[in-house]
Amino acid sequence: GNSVTQMEGPVTLSEEAFLTINCTYTATGYPSLFWYVQYPGEGLQLLLKATKADDKGSNKGFEATYRKETTSFHLEKGSVQVSDSAVYFCALSDYSGNAGKSTFGDGTTLTVKP
Amino acid sequence: DGGITQSPKYLFRKEGQNVTLSCEQNLNHDAMYWYRQDPGQGLRLIYYSQIVNDFQKGDIAEGYSVSREKKESFPLTVTSAQKNPTAFYLCATRLAGGPETQYFGPGTRLLVL
Repeated sequence: GNSVTQMEGPVTLSEEAFLTINCTYTATGYPSLFWYVQYPGEGLQLLLKATKADDKGSNKGFEATYRKETTSFHLEKGSVQVSDSAVYFCALSDYSGNAGKSTFGDGTTLTVKP
Repeated sequence: DGGITQSPKYLFRKEGQNVTLSCEQNLNHDAMYWYRQDPGQGLRLIYYSQIVNDFQKGDIAEGYSVSREKKESFPLTVTSAQKNPTAFYLCATRLAGGPETQYFGPGTRLLVL
């Protein structure tokens, strides 16, 4: 079956530091890949996505590239801010015979200190 | 404006009691999902529905029930058979037809008295 493995947290960084959160996946088909962000006490919201190999998703200074050869979709940001503190989830959706379900990683908690 | 509403924000359950969590959407999305989130863990799928009057069990359906009588609504009942219901419950929707994004509601936190 499908699975998503995220780097374990929590991750604590100083403001303006470089961020990488690793994500690797296993899927039987040709999945789309997503990063969602969850702020305290809220639901998840889409941060970025990529639908095919070599696509780069980007939003709000965050980037991730769909690497089929390494089955990875690592999240990066060049300079984090305190407001980026949240939980980040990597996810995949593979709707070929999968009845519309998505698979989520366990989440990585990021804390950015001023 | 369009979106997903979940109510209540906090819900308290007594021993042996069934409680129902509401999820309403006006995005005109076909598919709806219920997830459970425990502290420090990812999302686990409880039930999902791709069309009205049809739904399927997810990975942790035991102790839960759902209905999908209207496209806009997908209520989740936590029954007394669910022995450890304390968690954050998230409802999500998706536009059918491809690998689209899931849109999430603000969540309901269920606590046991």
